[in-house]
Amino acid sequence: SSELTQDPTVSVALGQTVRITCQGDSLRSYYASWYQQKPGQAPVLVIFDENNRPSGIPDRFSGSSSGNTASLTITGAQAEDEADYYCNSRDSSGHHAVFGGGTQLTVL
Amino acid sequence: QVQLQESGPGLVKPSQTLSLTCTVSGGSIRSGGYYWSWIRQHPGKGLEWIGHRYHSGDDDYNPSLKSRVTISVDTSKNQFSLKLTSVTAADTAVYYCARYYRNYERTWFDPWGQGILVTVSS
Repeated sequence: SSELTQDPTVSVALGQTVRITCQGDSLRSYYASWYQQKPGQAPVLVIFDENNRPSGIPDRFSGSSSGNTASLTITGAQAEDEADYYCNSRDSSGHHAVFGGGTQLTVL
Repeated sequence: QVQLQESGPGLVKPSQTLSLTCTVSGGSIRSGGYYWSWIRQHPGKGLEWIGHRYHSGDDDYNPSLKSRVTISVDTSKNQFSLKLTSVTAADTAVYYCARYYRNYERTWFDPWGQGILVTVSS
């Protein structure tokens, strides 16, 4: 089991806002990053340092954190946002990287 | 921009050693602050960090794989490699290489290679 916990599935109506969460004790000390993975493709970084977007990532993607929970929010979800989303941070020791189990997002 | 490309055999026999190479283009593997990492994904499953190495030698591995894994960096070729020994069917996965940034509280992987499927079978 992962030290970062994500809901396995989340759904959102087209154009609505969705929040995907990631829980873990290490998130009190380390930033989360988020990755989008579409079928048959490599993961793509969408949020780093908790709330920063790499160039080319739409501004409907945002990140936040509170206590032991990091969140990825998609404001105005589009059909092309349907994908698996993974959070990443450190384990409880702070030494090793760890990924959450992933959340499959369905856009209805 | 920096791009990564995995290469290596797609089929490995049980008990043998899995060997993959990641070629870095568009930037130097000696770039300060970046580690070079391998991540794998079992079929239909989530992402599993395997380990990382800095160009000057600092490395770290997933405790569950540490006894079987070695990551090396070849600065002359701008490549880094993964060796996983004594493989079993449980090591069948898509293997990704990625540039890894870690500094104090910051951690992220970008960019990623396209991934290579490695099947362990006789």
